[in-house]
Amino acid sequence: GAVVSQHPSWVICKSGTSVKIECRSLDFQATTMFWYRQFPKQSLMLMATSNEGSKATYEQGVEKDKFLINHASLTLSTLTVTSAHPEDSSFYICSLLSGLSYNEQFFGPGTRLTVL
Amino acid sequence: GQNIDQPTEMTATEGAIVQINCTYQTSGFNGLFWYQQHAGEAPTFLSYNVLDGLEEKGRFSSFLSRSKGYSYLLLKELQMKDSASYLCAVMDSNYQLIWGAGTKLIIKP
Repeated sequence: GAVVSQHPSWVICKSGTSVKIECRSLDFQATTMFWYRQFPKQSLMLMATSNEGSKATYEQGVEKDKFLINHASLTLSTLTVTSAHPEDSSFYICSLLSGLSYNEQFFGPGTRLTVL
Repeated sequence: GQNIDQPTEMTATEGAIVQINCTYQTSGFNGLFWYQQHAGEAPTFLSYNVLDGLEEKGRFSSFLSRSKGYSYLLLKELQMKDSASYLCAVMDSNYQLIWGAGTKLIIKP
């Protein structure tokens, strides 16, 4: 299956700073990537769908100006948390769908963000 | 609205069998997934069902009944490493995944 990497795996930052998280598909060209957020003991929550070469589609309640998504190539999507606050502390996970069948989703290892 | 229901927590004994149920109501159906998630890690894919019936893969099996909006994940010969959360997710007509809250499985010796 496809291999997906995320960088960094964890990050601690001060309130008010911006943090960029990278999601790379190492062996597969992904036109569509997803960004999820997971708070402790809760389910995954889809934040946005990232499409290569076009604007991301955000889920209701997710601020697009706060969570900037850039899918500049078929192997890289980035999520930037701007002006981070402690309530943004969470586990951020990216994923991509395999090929035309859309029957398998491959997840990155996740990035744990802690905002002090 | 769209809804996925699964038990919050289950406990089972090492070596035994456990069945985790999932019921769903979604706008359209393009398959049901089961994922395993250990604490602090991303989910890993376990199974995919799009047709009715049982899919077996080693110690894990997954069953689907589309008419009943029901699936279960069956884990046999439980091992301590199977302690994890098990997430049920349905892909709707827009090819988006609707996630259940997950079932925390606790394995006791």
